[in-house]
Amino acid sequence: TQLLEQSPQFLSIQEGENLTVYCNSSSVFSSLQWYRQEPGEGPVLLVTVVTGGEVKKLKRLTFQFGDARKDSSLHITAAQPGDTGLYLCAGGSASNYQLIWGAGTKLIIKP
Amino acid sequence: NAGVTQTPKFQVLKTGQSMTLQCAQDMNHEYMSWYRQDPGMGLRLIHYSVGAGITDQGEVPNGYNVSRSTTEDFPLRLLSAAPSQTSVYFCASSYSPIRNIQYFGAGTRLSVL
Repeated sequence: TQLLEQSPQFLSIQEGENLTVYCNSSSVFSSLQWYRQEPGEGPVLLVTVVTGGEVKKLKRLTFQFGDARKDSSLHITAAQPGDTGLYLCAGGSASNYQLIWGAGTKLIIKP
Repeated sequence: NAGVTQTPKFQVLKTGQSMTLQCAQDMNHEYMSWYRQDPGMGLRLIHYSVGAGITDQGEVPNGYNVSRSTTEDFPLRLLSAAPSQTSVYFCASSYSPIRNIQYFGAGTRLSVL
């Protein structure tokens, strides 16, 4: 059974601080996606990484796919209250239609 | 753009009642899926469809039925609601199952008493 473990489960920090969220698995994925979910809404895709070692930047957010395509990280620089939300990672395989989801990291940025 | 539309947004059922959660997308996506989200457990796949007339089970299909008569619609039926089905339900659609980039509806919050 493929599993994706996210850490930490919960993170509360002050505005302006940096943080990193991790997504780890013992399985290899063909793609790894990061979503953000706000209360009362569905998840919204932030980024997809597909190549081992790939780094993508989205303003203050930096996403990295591990060289072996088993893990990923999300780094936020100078966090802002607008970054508050539930961050979910999901691993995809080219051999089936089902994404494997992490349980999520609940992030709170205090002003 | 409407995207993925789910109705209703909230529903309270009594144990044993049945109901249908509606999902419609206007992006001409072939791939659609239903998830449930419970605290600390992430998203779990209930059923999915790769096109009209084709459906398959996901991780937690028991107690749920689906059908896909058109590309646009993918309803989820609860046959006999149980308290264990209290959850938030999300419908999602995608251009392609290979990359699985999914667009989600706003969710249906269901309570079974």
